[in-house]
Amino acid sequence: KAGVTQTPRYLIKTRGQQVTLSCSPISGHRSVSWYQQTPGQGLQFLFEYFSETQRNKGNFPGRFSGRQFSNSRSEMNVSTLELGDSALYLCASSLGVGLGEQYFGPGTRLTVT
Amino acid sequence: GENVEQHPSTLSVQEGDSAVIKCTYSDSASNYFPWYKQELGKRPQLIIDIRSNVGEKKDQRIAVTLNKTAKHFSLHITETQPEDSAVYFCAASGGSYIPTFGRGTSLIVHP
Repeated sequence: KAGVTQTPRYLIKTRGQQVTLSCSPISGHRSVSWYQQTPGQGLQFLFEYFSETQRNKGNFPGRFSGRQFSNSRSEMNVSTLELGDSALYLCASSLGVGLGEQYFGPGTRLTVT
Repeated sequence: GENVEQHPSTLSVQEGDSAVIKCTYSDSASNYFPWYKQELGKRPQLIIDIRSNVGEKKDQRIAVTLNKTAKHFSLHITETQPEDSAVYFCAASGGSYIPTFGRGTSLIVHP
């Protein structure tokens, strides 16, 4: 069974631009969560989608948004990029909300200049 | 919200020694406690998890213990090997299903 995949793997953007990241979960997994990982703040939860609906949301500004498609693939969008948005963005899939066991993708390394 | 404290931030051991990483959490409603291993440049990988109705779980050289009364849980690695060197994260989630991660422990196993 193929693992979680994320595209692109690396991205360089300029302040003020927007970016869209993509995540394909493990086949059969319907829940996709997004995390931001930085050396200073560690792993922080952004949001979780299940059945095309956002089920949980972390403490991030509205510039961070996401969506999920009917095939469970998910996208995350960050608008009006700031230097502080530079991070590794990880998605993780699981069978469903609250079912615990999550499998992470390789991440997208976003650099904002 | 939930707060997870993880200690130590760095742990250096000799090959063959045991390593113990401890986490405390604040939300008594938390009921799922996974541990992840992240090697340099790689994705976090789930290595073991425990639910609140269990006090201890083992998987070969790895074990996790949970004390719900004291709100802490620990990862134990026995007979450490150089390939165990990585950053280990604990996490807690519960009623809100929003997982909160510890800040990570960098484990260094010296050959």
